[in-house]
Amino acid sequence: EVQLVESGGGLVKPGGSLRLSCAASGFAFRNYGMNWVRQAPGKGLEWLSSISGSTSYFYYADSVKGRFTISRDNAKNSLYLQMNSLRAEDTAVYYCARGQSGSFDPWGQGTLVTVSS
Amino acid sequence: QSALTQPASVSGSPGQSITISCTGTSSDVGGYNLVSWYQQHPGKAPKLMLYEGTKQPSGVSNRFSGSKSGNTASLTISGLQAEDEADYYCCSHAGSSIYVFGTGTKVTVV
Repeated sequence: EVQLVESGGGLVKPGGSLRLSCAASGFAFRNYGMNWVRQAPGKGLEWLSSISGSTSYFYYADSVKGRFTISRDNAKNSLYLQMNSLRAEDTAVYYCARGQSGSFDPWGQGTLVTVSS
Repeated sequence: QSALTQPASVSGSPGQSITISCTGTSSDVGGYNLVSWYQQHPGKAPKLMLYEGTKQPSGVSNRFSGSKSGNTASLTISGLQAEDEADYYCCSHAGSSIYVFGTGTKVTVV
């Protein structure tokens, strides 16, 4: 069964940092691009970042460029999102999702990040 | 990277068909055949319903279909069922491996 499990969310103060992880299983992780998508409370989905299977290419939404860094460890079947200079508006559930044919499937269950003093 | 425009809500009776629109620009929806649609029930992760505009992943009911005309993509749910009540989001490739989601549509089965 293809499965993605996020971890690392929690409460962090404005200006702080947090590193999210996404553990993948059930598929050849290195063969797929991976993505991070977030959803603020009561709001819609926002694509944040993607990384190619080979780790050679990565892309960011303007809202997080320069503050967030996507990475992956294919030996550990894991995806990461390093989040720095966090702001209140970064409060959201963060999902990892496998990329395929310009779509996202499947998604993890999400991890909640709360930025508050 | 402006969000694609969707109606805030759409409703229908069981058995009816409803259509959700997703309007973008020639830089996203109109420029690529890479529109996908997601269903999200409250408190759950999104689920892929259509990819490349019209294709259904394995396991998705054929009651869900898609189309596109110019800068607007559409999702049609036929034979509406109570379990279809959820939020629906479109998403489009927007060039340079950037993606943009729609504003989301709440589907109510009345």
